[in-house]
Amino acid sequence: EPEVTQTPSHQVTQMGQEVILRCVPISNHLYFYWYRQILGQKVEFLVSFYNNEISEKSEIFDDQFSVERPDGSNFTLKIRSTKLEDSAMYFCASATDRGLGAKNIQYFGAGTRLSVL
Amino acid sequence: AQTVTQSQPEMSVQEAETVTLSCTYDTSESDYYLFWYKQPPSRQMILVIRQEAYKQQNATENRFSVNFQKAAKSFSLKISDSQLGDAAMYFCAYRSASSGDKLTFGTGTRLAVRP
Repeated sequence: EPEVTQTPSHQVTQMGQEVILRCVPISNHLYFYWYRQILGQKVEFLVSFYNNEISEKSEIFDDQFSVERPDGSNFTLKIRSTKLEDSAMYFCASATDRGLGAKNIQYFGAGTRLSVL
Repeated sequence: AQTVTQSQPEMSVQEAETVTLSCTYDTSESDYYLFWYKQPPSRQMILVIRQEAYKQQNATENRFSVNFQKAAKSFSLKISDSQLGDAAMYFCAYRSASSGDKLTFGTGTRLAVRP
């Protein structure tokens, strides 16, 4: 069964460094998402992406964050200058249809644990 | 803004028994979708079951069923004949049917299954 793949599974970085989290969505999916979960807290929406542009973003997704789909298969989340509070599990998801229809089912990857030291 | 609350951080069930996980939500919308996702250790979240708010009939998927009480804004998950493979973190999630496609999650319930 097709899966959303995220790499790496664990990323350790120093505060202030740039990190790129990578995701390979399911191949025929058109809608892409990033969520994050700080330890002990809720899974929170960061951003949705369609047709090479951001559809929606949360307050968390500030100028330090960016997303792109550079080659038609990968979907990346970049954090320009990491902060301690960026330490979290980051989940990528993809879907075939957009949310207003019942067909939008988001399929998730296993996540990347980001540790900022 | 919508919120989702899961009041049970941890639950435990004996193998072959039935367990119910609770979820409540708050919204002013009348049309929306509700989901239960399962996350086994170190694995991706998998959709277990979903409910469309305009449907009165409770969704069922094999051993998994929901009790959807729209007026009470309650959406509990019942797992029948629990199996060892059901051990996981379970997340309840909400999605609007009219404004965007983001999921709003609860904090999760960790389910242990005793052999």
